[in-house]
Amino acid sequence: AQTVTQSQPEMSVQEAETVTLSCTYDTSESDYYLFWYKQPPSRQMILVIRQEAYKQQNATENRFSVNFQKAAKSFSLKISDSQLGDAAMYFCASGGGADGLTFGKGTHLIIQP
Amino acid sequence: GAVVSQHPSRVICKSGTSVKIECRSLDFQATTMFWYRQFPKQSLMLMATSNEGSKATYEQGVEKDKFLINHASLTLSTLTVTSAHPEDSSFYICSATSSNRALNQPQHFGDGTRLSIL
Repeated sequence: AQTVTQSQPEMSVQEAETVTLSCTYDTSESDYYLFWYKQPPSRQMILVIRQEAYKQQNATENRFSVNFQKAAKSFSLKISDSQLGDAAMYFCASGGGADGLTFGKGTHLIIQP
Repeated sequence: GAVVSQHPSRVICKSGTSVKIECRSLDFQATTMFWYRQFPKQSLMLMATSNEGSKATYEQGVEKDKFLINHASLTLSTLTVTSAHPEDSSFYICSATSSNRALNQPQHFGDGTRLSIL
């Protein structure tokens, strides 16, 4: 069984600033992936970044990076140089392969111009 | 590459009717497809997992007779909501992956179907 917890229902950041979204998880799997998905008002699910649990190096995709703390079961997302287009719901998820994804409740990110 | 097409994008129908939603992988073979449901302002919840040529595996609390899933080919899975009622109104979204074991194969999502039952 897997659980994913996002404790921030909403976050607000000024344009061009940096924001960190929190996520903790619990899983009985020995190998797994962790994901951050962006869901804009169109409701498309857009993969932002993913991290394999076996890799110690934190994943980075341009302005998006994660802080993966395996022992603490923490997987936070840092967005640098926030842009208006980053405004969306952000979901943390765990799983992968033959298993469906378990999602957190999401964080609504607001970008203040 | 890795495009998943979901159809229809929006459906409105009367209570008691059955609704079929299609999920197609356009440029890859999807050995496993997943169906999720998302109520307004809530997260995605996995409903079921389907593997090509075998019966779907439903999550706890999901009625298999209510939500019929067919994965007859490597590129198509369908979800049929039978005798739909207003409480079935939701956003349904599918995803597909090209491997049933390799963790490094990502899931590719369709654009979802907004189902409204009057």
